[in-house]
Amino acid sequence: DTAVSQTPKYLVTQMGNDKSIKCEQNLGHDTMYWYKQDSKKFLKIMFSYNNKELIINETVPNRFSPKSPDKAHLNLHINSLELGDSAVYFCASSQRGGEEDFGPGTRLTVT
Amino acid sequence: QKEVEQNSGPLSVPEGAIASLNCTYSDRGSQSFFWYRQYSGKSPELIMSIYSNGDKEDGRFTAQLNKASQYVSLLIRDSQPSDSATYLCAVGGAAGNKLTFGGGTRVLVKP
Repeated sequence: DTAVSQTPKYLVTQMGNDKSIKCEQNLGHDTMYWYKQDSKKFLKIMFSYNNKELIINETVPNRFSPKSPDKAHLNLHINSLELGDSAVYFCASSQRGGEEDFGPGTRLTVT
Repeated sequence: QKEVEQNSGPLSVPEGAIASLNCTYSDRGSQSFFWYRQYSGKSPELIMSIYSNGDKEDGRFTAQLNKASQYVSLLIRDSQPSDSATYLCAVGGAAGNKLTFGGGTRVLVKP
């Protein structure tokens, strides 16, 4: 199946830990994104990469670090997790900006 | 002031009726406009994109754009219970691929 996939689907961890979320797309898209959806369902862009180059870097704590080893993969590493980081994190990709294909999401719970 | 505003709802419509969703945006330089549908616990999926003033129809969905009034709307004709979801308005800025989402309108279609 052609799609955007993310792992893990659920992530429960304690404050202060470091965790990573992985994303892969096999749609052949050039651009990949990380979005955060908070408890109020507000969806906000965090980062965007085009062909492995960072093109959007919103006001996000530097505890969040994206990495794109190739244009089909975009990972998100989070250091020193805080309670406020609890949210659903969506990876997405697009060939034409705005027409995003979203992954299934990773629900992160920090306790 | 929020950049993209939507009424949070819920918008309750009887089956077979027309659901009308509205969205306003603040950046007059915005170039692209999108409607995403998000079922509870699922990822957003693109249902409509519109780039120029006027109406665009796709099946039971019609998107309407009025750049002078900074207003975009979505009509869902012959609403079905399966249309019950949150509808997210998203606006693409003039500066590139960044999408700004509204808070979403929850639609409930009652049989």
